[in-house]
Amino acid sequence: QKEVEQDPGPLSVPEGAIVSLNCTYSNSAFQYFMWYRQYSRKGPELLMYTYSSGNKEDGRFTAQVDKSSKYISLFIRDSQPSDSATYLCAIEGAGNMLTFGGGTRLMVKP
Amino acid sequence: NAGVTQTPKFQVLKTGQSMTLQCAQDMNHNSMYWYRQDPGMGLRLIYYSASEGTTDKGEVPNGYNVSRLNKREFSLRLESAAPSQTSVYFCASCPNRDTQYFGPGTRLTVL
Repeated sequence: QKEVEQDPGPLSVPEGAIVSLNCTYSNSAFQYFMWYRQYSRKGPELLMYTYSSGNKEDGRFTAQVDKSSKYISLFIRDSQPSDSATYLCAIEGAGNMLTFGGGTRLMVKP
Repeated sequence: NAGVTQTPKFQVLKTGQSMTLQCAQDMNHNSMYWYRQDPGMGLRLIYYSASEGTTDKGEVPNGYNVSRLNKREFSLRLESAAPSQTSVYFCASCPNRDTQYFGPGTRLTVL
């Protein structure tokens, strides 16, 4: 079993839809949780990070962490074609090492 | 600020050839990382350097070597390339525990 599991998609939604992206993880010692966005043929860029259980909001994006279920989510409201990208969850363990999920490819159609 | 730069952008090698991937950052970050990205596998850590003068193995170090030349530069070397090393390679740097900044990647094909 991989330490971090993520549905690869692709996920195709119409413009304006609410998007839900999810990851599960196995190691309860993980403390920091991040979402990276990666456009085609580009490097990943940090979108959001959170430390504790609960929600963190930034504009149209909300990151949610449920440590009891070892489940993290990213919600995108009012999705735009410019949100089309691959979204990678990443979880930090000891020594600032990140473990990445496999990424979910999102396509938002106009 | 150029951020994290990588050279070359693309490379095709024959099995057994060697090459070095270069990475540099101008953000004065202490930590630097090399990842490979394969379809459906996410990013897997090859090697990292927590500070100038130190390097450590990551999840998939076999077939690679690294050099932290100075605080700015962290290179990745393939001594004898194999088709299994066909991948996209990303370098990243990090000032603290919440953000890693990634370069644009090097697309490597080994025939």
